[in-house]
Amino acid sequence: DTAVSQTPKYLVTQMGNDKSIKCEQNLGHDTMYWYKQDSKKFLKIMFSYNNKELIINETVPNRFSPKSPDKAHLNLHINSLELGDSAVYFCASSSDREWNTGELFFGEGSRLTVL
Amino acid sequence: AQTVTQSQPEMSVQEAETVTLSCTYDTSENNYYLFWYKQPPSRQMILVIRQEAYKQQNATENRFSVNFQKAAKSFSLKISDSQLGDTAMYFCALKWAYKYIFGTGTRLKVLA
Repeated sequence: DTAVSQTPKYLVTQMGNDKSIKCEQNLGHDTMYWYKQDSKKFLKIMFSYNNKELIINETVPNRFSPKSPDKAHLNLHINSLELGDSAVYFCASSSDREWNTGELFFGEGSRLTVL
Repeated sequence: AQTVTQSQPEMSVQEAETVTLSCTYDTSENNYYLFWYKQPPSRQMILVIRQEAYKQQNATENRFSVNFQKAAKSFSLKISDSQLGDTAMYFCALKWAYKYIFGTGTRLKVLA
């Protein structure tokens, strides 16, 4: 069983479209994240949710809207896609209980290409 | 503000040799963790090693070890007996509270 799974893994779409990426974790973790990795491999945090509550919202355009229906899921919806949104988007989760060191568990990434 | 700096964009090492990847960080937090993650061409992010800031002893995982210098805010990764499968991007990461930030990565190539 995959611990953190993202769908789709590849997404090619036209500018102006709206798309969603789904993420699910079966680790029982409390905290989930979305990261964006650009063409230079730089990993930048976008959002973080703890127990379904938004706790980190970096300077991300409001075309990006995360949704956490429960603590095992964190989906990312992107409106009006732009060329600069092309990247690999990683979902990750961690447990912040005292006995854990908070290792991030990553999904396999979703490569978004905007034409 | 917290920062993580990896000053070596690319490195190469001969198979079976030892290589050290550098990482420096800055934080005002007392309670934090440091990690090295590996990203092979498959793009999967894999934890290599972790270090709790309150522990003085350097972490070791098989061929991977760190040199954690808390006062200098330095956290380097040493890979011994390098293998072809170690070829990957390596990211240093700092965690405090719910937040993680990553360095810009070092691309390591192991040469046969």
